[in-house]
Amino acid sequence: EAQVTQNPRYLITVTGKKLTVTCSQNMNHEYMSWYRQDPGLGLRQIYYSMNVEVTDKGDVPEGYKVSRKEKRNFPLILESPSPNQTSLYFCASSLVSGANVLTFGAGSRLTVL
Amino acid sequence: AQKITQTQPGMFVQEKEAVTLDCTYDTSDQSYGLFWYKQPSSGEMIFLIYQGSYDEQNATEGRYSLNFQKARKSANLVISASQLGDSAMYFCAMREAGGTSYGKLTFGQGTILTVHP
Repeated sequence: EAQVTQNPRYLITVTGKKLTVTCSQNMNHEYMSWYRQDPGLGLRQIYYSMNVEVTDKGDVPEGYKVSRKEKRNFPLILESPSPNQTSLYFCASSLVSGANVLTFGAGSRLTVL
Repeated sequence: AQKITQTQPGMFVQEKEAVTLDCTYDTSDQSYGLFWYKQPSSGEMIFLIYQGSYDEQNATEGRYSLNFQKARKSANLVISASQLGDSAMYFCAMREAGGTSYGKLTFGQGTILTVHP
């Protein structure tokens, strides 16, 4: 089944404890992206990647890192999480951007205490 | 910078009635795509419908149609014959085909639709 898989789906952590949210897609998509969803703000882009080894900042990149060493994987790294990073996170992918539909993972709900 | 505005935080509709969810956008790009996604209470993002900026016909997908008015920069979603399962959050989004925002999908704030029996 064609899909985007994120893990973990739920995580409670404490301030400053590094964590990684993994994202993997099996559709051979070039484009991958991370979003966070907060009430009243919709979804905002954190980082995106046009292809392997090509990444760039979105609208809210502060406090996050990403890497794209393989086409299928696009992990989101929080080096030192803070409570304002408590959010619902989505990974998404598509074929080369433009008209192609972005396929989303199921979401990862992160709470930072 | 591209921007999407959904002015209806919440909408109510009676089952079997039609409902329109509003979306306006702002872009200086000539080539762009408009999307609607549905987010049920379970949280996943479900793609509903797409409209390209050069498409002359309004997009339709089953009970969903997109009322595209390019000059007014609006892309309203029309759901016909509402069902209880349509109760969800709905997001309008835009993707530009060029410029520094290449590929980025920008979302509106969302509209919560509640369908009453």
